[in-house]
Amino acid sequence: QVQLKESGPGLVKPSETLSLTCTVSGGSNTDYYWSWIRQSPGKGLEWIGYIHYSGSTNYNPSLMSRATISVDTTKDQFSLKLNSVTAADTAVYFCARHTGSYAPFDFWGQGSLVTVSS
Amino acid sequence: EIVLTQSPDTLSLSPGERATLSCRASQSFIRSYLAWYQQRPGQAPKLLISAATKRATGIPDRFSGSGSGADYSLTISRLEPEDFAVYYCQQYVTTPRTFGQGTRVEIK
Repeated sequence: QVQLKESGPGLVKPSETLSLTCTVSGGSNTDYYWSWIRQSPGKGLEWIGYIHYSGSTNYNPSLMSRATISVDTTKDQFSLKLNSVTAADTAVYFCARHTGSYAPFDFWGQGSLVTVSS
Repeated sequence: EIVLTQSPDTLSLSPGERATLSCRASQSFIRSYLAWYQQRPGQAPKLLISAATKRATGIPDRFSGSGSGADYSLTISRLEPEDFAVYYCQQYVTTPRTFGQGTRVEIK
């Protein structure tokens, strides 16, 4: 059974960079797509972007190029960096797997709460 | 961006009753790339239905999906205690992927 687990700081200061890592276990990460999704009370569920194990990416334009997703296949990990954060970026961040670029999210991590505050 | 509008916001029902949840898209899909998820408090969303009608692995057959074009539905034929949760629809036909605002199914 595939398992995903998010890790990273729970508190980030305004204007700084949010960094999260998702570690995948229980299966191969080749030929899959890996997304970051966040959930906040104000905006509900919001897809941030995805990466394929080959390194190709696709992002939500609403984030205005602040997000960068990368993959480290040697460590079975993929990461999110979101720069110039504000309080509006406070959310629970999930990583999730999908089997194709046009596929639903079939496995999710438990989520990681990130609060943006000074 | 495709906007998904779910209705109702809250559904108050008793165990054993039938639940019907709606998801309407701001534009019609050529392909029914529409999924449904269940989210319990403190947990991640769980995939129930993909491609509008296909149950995910291990999902009981009391959950069924229907619809095409811009209108989709999730039906729970007989509510079990563990089914009281929030349900989201999500489209994966265009970028950005988007979710509905959710329907809460609560115990009456």
